[in-house]
Amino acid sequence: NAGVTQTPKFQVLKTGQSMTLQCAQDMNHEYMSWYRQDPGMGLRLIHYSVGAGITDQGEVPNGYNVSRSTTEDFPLRLLSAAPSQTSVYFCASRDLPKNTGELFFGEGSRLTVL
Amino acid sequence: SQQGEEDPQALSIQEGENATMNCSYKTSINNLQWYRQNSGRGLVHLILIRSNEREKHSGRLRVTLDTSKKSSSLLITASRAADTASYFCASSKAAGNKLTFGGGTRVLVKP
Repeated sequence: NAGVTQTPKFQVLKTGQSMTLQCAQDMNHEYMSWYRQDPGMGLRLIHYSVGAGITDQGEVPNGYNVSRSTTEDFPLRLLSAAPSQTSVYFCASRDLPKNTGELFFGEGSRLTVL
Repeated sequence: SQQGEEDPQALSIQEGENATMNCSYKTSINNLQWYRQNSGRGLVHLILIRSNEREKHSGRLRVTLDTSKKSSSLLITASRAADTASYFCASSKAAGNKLTFGGGTRVLVKP
């Protein structure tokens, strides 16, 4: 099992550019989510999904779009990157029916916006 | 705003000593979890404690939960250099609901 796989691991963008962070999981988890981690701020929830075709906003959704066309994939799109979006992004998933709440994290994608 | 706040923000101890960190949260919860993050890596789940539980053990980890004080503590006994990491608490208001993370405690265990 690969678990949760994020690509790319590192990315540098210029202000205004767009890009997509990819996230895939092979555990058949219904719940998937994106967090951003900034120094001293912990992790803040951007968007989450409880199944294919269902997405919802988290704490800091502005500037980000998501879609969930399959159970396995949950891409995060930055439409027009801003320096404030410089951060480390984590994708995480969990098995909803088990209801244990344990999240499985990817290794992160470090994004720098110049 | 963050649901959980951790204290201290950083902790430095000698190998073999115990490490204790605390987490406070603001609203009622269904469960509280602790995660570890090694430098440059993703978070790894350590332990979950439900709102009707007061204490839980897993290996060298001991977690307590005091819902009247809206606080939890994580104790790592007989620490090892490999325990050097950041530790985060995360709480869920309802079963299966989204998790809200605290700011984390950075732990350095010196050999």
